[in-house]
Amino acid sequence: GAVVSQHPSRVICKSGTSVKIECRSLDFQATTMFWYRQFPKKSLMLMATSNEGSKATYEQGVEKDKFLINHASLTLSTLTVTSAHPEDSSFYICSATGTGGQGANVLTFGAGSRLTVL
Amino acid sequence: GQQLNQSPQSMFIQEGEDVSMNCTSSSIFNTWLWYKQEPGEGPVLLIALYKAGELTSNGRLTAQFGITRKDSFLNISASIPSDVGIYFCAGQKGAGGTSYGKLTFGQGTILTVHP
Repeated sequence: GAVVSQHPSRVICKSGTSVKIECRSLDFQATTMFWYRQFPKKSLMLMATSNEGSKATYEQGVEKDKFLINHASLTLSTLTVTSAHPEDSSFYICSATGTGGQGANVLTFGAGSRLTVL
Repeated sequence: GQQLNQSPQSMFIQEGEDVSMNCTSSSIFNTWLWYKQEPGEGPVLLIALYKAGELTSNGRLTAQFGITRKDSFLNISASIPSDVGIYFCAGQKGAGGTSYGKLTFGQGTILTVHP
């Protein structure tokens, strides 16, 4: 089936630095990717929708300058947390759907990336 | 943003018991999905429901899409220890197109199964 890989799975950084999280579709072309944020034992909250080759659409209340999303290719979307602060510590999960092959009309989630900001 | 109202928040049951959880919404969703998430992992799809009134099974799991399109339930029969995890309902507003994959999640039900 369709596989989505996230990297890194865990990252620890100092406050004020920027961190990049990658979301890759391994066996299909992901025309659309979604980024979610999840606090411990809480729900997944949609942050933004990313379409290949265009600007991401952010949900209300999500700072686009804080959470930079790039979807430059059909297999890769990146989320960059800029000038990270401890309150940005969270579990970030991507999902992807696309056309052709295993990803056609299938929504697949990555395994998530846990960010800890010291 | 909007969330689905999922209950119960947590359940502690004995192995072999049946489990039931549900989700309600004040607005209509055209697709209902049920996911299971284990610690440190992303959610994994259990059952997808596409039509109001639809009842679908996947092994010991059964889920229904409410006739009003504002609710859904998930039942797990004869629970086993590996059923432990957090179960989420999720709704998708549109039938496809640009809304495909844009999900609203419930708060989750934490399931603990005692052997």
